[in-house]
Amino acid sequence: NAGVTQTPKFRILKIGQSMTLQCTQDMNHNYMYWYRQDPGMGLKLIYYSVGAGITDKGEVPNGYNVSRSTTEDFPLRLELAAPSQTSVYFCASSDPGQGLGETQYFGPGTRLLVL
Amino acid sequence: RKEVEQDPGPFNVPEGATVAFNCTYSNSASQSFFWYRQDCRKEPKLLMSVYSSGNEDGRFTAQLNRASQYISLLIRDSKLSDSATYLCVVNEPSGGVSGAGSYQLTFGKGTKLSVIP
Repeated sequence: NAGVTQTPKFRILKIGQSMTLQCTQDMNHNYMYWYRQDPGMGLKLIYYSVGAGITDKGEVPNGYNVSRSTTEDFPLRLELAAPSQTSVYFCASSDPGQGLGETQYFGPGTRLLVL
Repeated sequence: RKEVEQDPGPFNVPEGATVAFNCTYSNSASQSFFWYRQDCRKEPKLLMSVYSSGNEDGRFTAQLNRASQYISLLIRDSKLSDSATYLCVVNEPSGGVSGAGSYQLTFGKGTKLSVIP
């Protein structure tokens, strides 16, 4: 199993540009999450999903959108990039049998710089 | 706002030392507790879950005190490879459209450990 994969690894955006961060998992996990991590800070939950077609806001959803059309994929969309969105973005998934909020498996992250 | 607080660190210890990390959480409805490890510029990975009875995994021992809302991690006989940031993580109710049983993980800012030869 590849686990959780994310693309791209690194991206530089200009203010106002848009992009989609891709996340795919091959563990048949129903639950998937998007976090951002700023330097010296804990991970903050942006959005999460309990299954295909269902998404919910986390702690810091403003400026982002998500969709979940399949169990495997959970893309994160930035419509109008702002410098405040410079961060490292982690996607994660968890085993449906364990319930929401249990052990999560993280992707390698996407480093985003908005200039 | 519910928070998870950790020792700020950094902790610089010699090889072979014993080091302890502490963590407090504010949401009494939290149900599950974890320590994650994050290497520099890498993703977090689960180190161990924390149970009320305390649990041990080799050189690592985790303790939970629900009454005090306090979690600890003890590392014995530190190795160079233990150098990383240790994240205290708490599972707490999140509400939302996903149902009354929805939970989410709240992460502490982490404590950086450097084990020195």
